[in-house]
This record gives sequence, structure tokens and C-alpha cells, in this order.
Amino acid sequence: DQQVKQNSPSLSVQEGRISILNCDYTNSMFDYFLWYKKYPAEGPTFLISISSIKDKNEDGRFTVFLNKSAKHLSLHIVPSQPGDSAVYFCAARGGGSNYKLTFGKGTLLTVNP
Amino acid sequence: SAVISQKPSRDICQRGTSLTIQCQVDSQVTMMFWYRQQPGQSLTLIATANQGSEATYESGFVIDKFPISRPNLTFSTLTVSNMSPEDSSIYLCSVVGTSGYEQYFGPGTRLTVT
Repeated sequence: DQQVKQNSPSLSVQEGRISILNCDYTNSMFDYFLWYKKYPAEGPTFLISISSIKDKNEDGRFTVFLNKSAKHLSLHIVPSQPGDSAVYFCAARGGGSNYKLTFGKGTLLTVNP
Repeated sequence: SAVISQKPSRDICQRGTSLTIQCQVDSQVTMMFWYRQQPGQSLTLIATANQGSEATYESGFVIDKFPISRPNLTFSTLTVSNMSPEDSSIYLCSVVGTSGYEQYFGPGTRLTVT
């Protein structure tokens, strides 16, 4: 039972345009959502997060939106740059004293010059 | 964020042998975590390692297969025992950030079992 799903294995966008990565979850107990970026041969790098009580969090070119009723979140990158090309993982925190992160399978973003 | 290092960065091992992976953090942390990423899959939590207590394992992972040590607040090891090709994965350690929400990951250990 996959509690965090990223239904698009890959996404290709042009440099300067917006990249939108999507993530769905099923467990309403998740209290915090995070996005990680991963380059080959490196560990995941924390990018941005959002609490379940918020619906938007912005950090520079990165914005995460949370639709709690739809159990859906998205990461917007604008403008996209070739250096953004990586695998992006959505993760959800268990809630309360449960620090466990449940990850989606990732979306490979390719930003073309 | 904490700076996390892991050793080895990669290894190729024979089936039936064991490998111990080390994780070093540049600051004292209460909780450390070990994850596994099998080829083409997401990251899966193996266990939580707290200093001074036994590790807590997730469903599907057992201490005999993945013994963990946590001798102090900056160091932990994960051993992959009696390896089979199905253990070929990237193994990652992580720590919780000061906010209590974000987790920061080491660079990973890429293990191939032949």
C-alpha cells in the first residue's frame, strides 16, 4: 500500500518555464510534507517543506502548495533552470512523535536549455 | 543543516558476506535513521537508532539481518548481514534538523551484491 504517490515518473520542461511536480497521499495523519532533490550518486537534498496546517510555502523559485481536502501537494519551480534537472522526491512525516518519512518513487525532471 | 558522511561510498560484495556501513555527523543528534533505496524504488525506512537504547525496526526489517549500533550522539553503523543480491541498494543515514521536521541525509552507500 503506497501511501505517497508520484504518478509522473518523468517531466521535461524548457528553461525559463514553470515546472510543476505533483504528489498524492492517502494517510490523513501525515503532519508535514517535504520535497527533496537528488542528483545521481548523492544523497537527497532537502528543498522545501510545508506543514499540514498551511496551504502554501514559498522559498525563492520554489513554491509548495498543499490541498489537504484532495490529499494533494505540488512543487512549482519558476523559472526552471538546467541545474534543476534531478529526481524530485515527495515525502510525508508520520505525525506527532513519529519522525518516519514516507517517500514517493520520485519524478525525474529534465530542464532543457 | 548537519554535515553527514558515510563510509564506504560504494562496495561490491559476495553473497553470504556482511558489510558494515558507518555514518558520522558533525554535531550531536538524538535520532538517526537508516533508509534503503532499492533500484527504481523510493526510500524506505529500515530503523531508527537512538543513542542509549535499542534500535527500532520497521515492519519487514529485523535486527539479525540489519544490526545497528549507536555508541554516541554523532555516530552510527548499519550492518547488512548474510547478503544476497536482493540487498543491492543504496543505504542512507539521516538525522532530524533542529526544527524537528526536516531530515538531512548522508551521501549514501551504494551496495552491489554478486
